[in-house]
Amino acid sequence: SQTIHQWPATLVQPVGSPLSLECTVEGTSNPNLYWYRQAAGRGLQLLFYSVGIGQISSEVPQNLSASRPQDRQFILSSKKLLLSDSGFYLCAWSAWPSEQYFGPGTRLTVT
Amino acid sequence: GDSVTQMEGPVTLSEEAFLTINCTYTATGYPSLFWYVQYPGEGLQLLLKATKADDKGSNKGFEATYRKETTSFHLEKGSVQVSDSAVYFCALSATQGGSEKLVFGKGTKLTVNP
Repeated sequence: SQTIHQWPATLVQPVGSPLSLECTVEGTSNPNLYWYRQAAGRGLQLLFYSVGIGQISSEVPQNLSASRPQDRQFILSSKKLLLSDSGFYLCAWSAWPSEQYFGPGTRLTVT
Repeated sequence: GDSVTQMEGPVTLSEEAFLTINCTYTATGYPSLFWYVQYPGEGLQLLLKATKADDKGSNKGFEATYRKETTSFHLEKGSVQVSDSAVYFCALSATQGGSEKLVFGKGTKLTVNP
């Protein structure tokens, strides 16, 4: 069966510090991968998606970036965090076009 | 563009009450429709889905029917439990830029009291 992992589970970082969140998927090959952000009391905002290694599409201009160095690894990064980057970050994968499966999330607090 | 509108919460019910969470959508073509559930502090779980008009998705006592004529996908459960307390998201699949993505509603928080 397929599983999706995210780490860390929680993170507290000062403004201006770098960020690296990791997501890995097991049990499937060549998945579509997604990064979402969920701000407090809000819905989900799609940040990035990837259909293959090195292929990243950005949905919203911001100071975040994403990379996919391996088939089942998706990384969300920032060089300098802003207060507004605080939120709950969710990674998701899909093997078929429309059905997505989500990881447990990373709660990021920027202080 | 494609969009999903779901009833704003929060919704508070007593145990064994009937639940309806309304969801309507705007889309070109014929999207698949989904309900996801998010328990506190966790990621989203797929609750049910429907891929074409008049399909009924069901899971764990929850049901939703894909109504093309009213562009709706309302979530229902006949008797809610305290353990159903969560945030529920309606979503549709949309093809944009050659890739298929999910478009989510803003979520409806449900609290069930004993």
